[in-house]
Amino acid sequence: DARVTQTPRHKVTEMGQEVTMRCQPILGHNTVFWYRQTMMQGLELLAYFRNRAPLDDSGMPKDRFSAEMPDATLATLKIQPSEPRDSAVYFCASGLDRDGSYEQYFGPGTRLTVT
Amino acid sequence: AQSVTQLDSQVPVFEEAPVELRCNYSSSVSVYLFWYVQYPNQGLQLLLKYLSGSTLVESINGFEAEFNKSQTSFHLRKPSVHISDTAEYFCAVQEWGATNKLIFGTGTLLAVQP
Repeated sequence: DARVTQTPRHKVTEMGQEVTMRCQPILGHNTVFWYRQTMMQGLELLAYFRNRAPLDDSGMPKDRFSAEMPDATLATLKIQPSEPRDSAVYFCASGLDRDGSYEQYFGPGTRLTVT
Repeated sequence: AQSVTQLDSQVPVFEEAPVELRCNYSSSVSVYLFWYVQYPNQGLQLLLKYLSGSTLVESINGFEAEFNKSQTSFHLRKPSVHISDTAEYFCAVQEWGATNKLIFGTGTLLAVQP
């Protein structure tokens, strides 16, 4: 049963520290999305990759956030330096771009708490 | 720009009662429509989708949604809910030929009570 995996599942860190979240998309999928979920803002799209190339990161605070895909099996989201307002659940999703529409498969999320 | 509105943040309902979760969207072009479900402490899972063809789509666990172009709606219904249906439900829209981004609504918490 193919699934998107995310590590770590939980992360508690102090303000100012660097945080790196990792995602392994489903094998064969060519698109990867990073979302952030909070009670106040709901589900926000942070970044979007197709064939490892960043297509849209307009939802991501550029000064402290960065997203990369070093290879087809790994996507990373980094926050440096972290702030308490970054506390949220971060989801990765992957999909197969076909005929313009497709299902996104979500990972279990990384719950980040910045103190 | 496209947007999705889920007016009800929470819908309480008794077990075995019918339920409707409302979703309206705004877009200047044709769209694909989705409902995702999120159980506590889990990621989102696709419940059902409308891409083309019949405007009534069904899921394997008894939910259905009907695409109404004139009303720009995609409401989710179930004739008889179970305790296990308690979850957050998200409506999402994707524009044809766009960058494959999904725009999500704010979610509706379906709280099924015994």
